[in-house]
Amino acid sequence: GQNIDQPTEMTATEGAIVQINCTYQTSGFNGLFWYQQHAGEAPTFLSYNVLDGLEEKGRFSSFLSRSKGYSYLLLKELQMKDSASYLCAATLSGYALNFGKGTSLLVTP
Amino acid sequence: DTGVSQDPRHKITKRGQNVTFRCDPISEHNRLYWYRQTLGQGPEFLTYFQNEAQLEKSRLLSDRFSAERPKGSFSTLEIQRTEQGDSAMYLCASTLGGAGNTIYFGEGSWLTVV
Repeated sequence: GQNIDQPTEMTATEGAIVQINCTYQTSGFNGLFWYQQHAGEAPTFLSYNVLDGLEEKGRFSSFLSRSKGYSYLLLKELQMKDSASYLCAATLSGYALNFGKGTSLLVTP
Repeated sequence: DTGVSQDPRHKITKRGQNVTFRCDPISEHNRLYWYRQTLGQGPEFLTYFQNEAQLEKSRLLSDRFSAERPKGSFSTLEIQRTEQGDSAMYLCASTLGGAGNTIYFGEGSWLTVV
């Protein structure tokens, strides 16, 4: 992904909490998205942040700090079905939504 | 189903052949994107349409790739003289105009060049 960095892999235990971090270049920033993608399937929308702070949606929350060029996705009460790739994406310049390479999350029993 | 639909879902072609993918966005979505994704990577931006106008193309998009959206509704992505490196999933996405509107993805078209 263009100037968007996130860890490649993470492992967590069922029922636990996991935080997936994302950093991005701040120039031209216009909002940050998180998507979930199961293997062989299309990405599905999880959250959008444009202002600093925490957005909560059920078991999933997303945080943004514009000045630091930093976001995280927080997943609570992990379930086996949460094993997937989590994609951080931002509109950095022009119209394109630029994606990171994705973080592959494995939830173990 | 009123989501983004793509056709064909899978395509196997011989190197050197041309292939065309079609995308039907969600009705009334004026913005349409094409992405390419390979295993273990995030989607890579290819091109963007607002209505029928192609407003942005990735520098990575070679001249073998062309996309159209003639009436501002469906779009096609053509790859000429395919190469093995073109093997990937080609994703289409659409959204209404405006910052923060959810971008919805289609199921993707898998291309294998042999």
